[in-house]
Amino acid sequence: GAGVSQSPSNKVTEKGKDVELRCDPISGHTALYWYRQSLGQGLEFLIYFQGNSAPDKSGLPSDRFSAERTGGSVSTLTIQRTQQEDSAVYLCASSYEPGTAYEQYFGPGTRLTVT
Amino acid sequence: QKEVEQDPGPLSVPEGAIVSLNCTYSNSAFQYFMWYRQYSRKGPELLMYTYSSGNKEDGRFTAQVDKSSKYISLFIRDSQPSDSATYLCAMSRNQGGKLIFGQGTELSVKP
Repeated sequence: GAGVSQSPSNKVTEKGKDVELRCDPISGHTALYWYRQSLGQGLEFLIYFQGNSAPDKSGLPSDRFSAERTGGSVSTLTIQRTQQEDSAVYLCASSYEPGTAYEQYFGPGTRLTVT
Repeated sequence: QKEVEQDPGPLSVPEGAIVSLNCTYSNSAFQYFMWYRQYSRKGPELLMYTYSSGNKEDGRFTAQVDKSSKYISLFIRDSQPSDSATYLCAMSRNQGGKLIFGQGTELSVKP
């Protein structure tokens, strides 16, 4: 079956612009996660959506970062007023249900470059 | 100090060698332990997960968890050039929620 898909695959933006990154989880997966992977920092958790419960936003690095999940499926990560330190690969993952976080399946990522 | 420590390598071995990859951690609350493989410019791919201490085997891959030492390992037998990738360990405290990742170890298997 189809895996997690993310778009765009690459995004180059100017400092100060807003960007939106999209994630389509595996069909039927109710839990969705966003991570960021950058040189020197490894893979860092950003936010977690668990069914209809309030999301766990504890990993968002600043209030410039936000995410939403519409209809329990597609998710959008928005970064406002981008900074050069936001350059990274943004990865989305999904799991069948919130109780199976140990079986997270990742998408290919969006490579964000802020110039 | 990071919660999960992993030697970034790079690690280079000849084809057919046994590879040992390791992570240490500081949070005794971790109960689930995962290994992911990541090829260049791709997303991480789940290899195996283990709950609590013990061993788990899947083909050429064996995962070991020693909670008393806060130490986990992944062994790859009969390594192949196609195993060349970055290997990431990850951990979680419970069944739901975020994963905490190690830095990843870059492995190269030479033909």
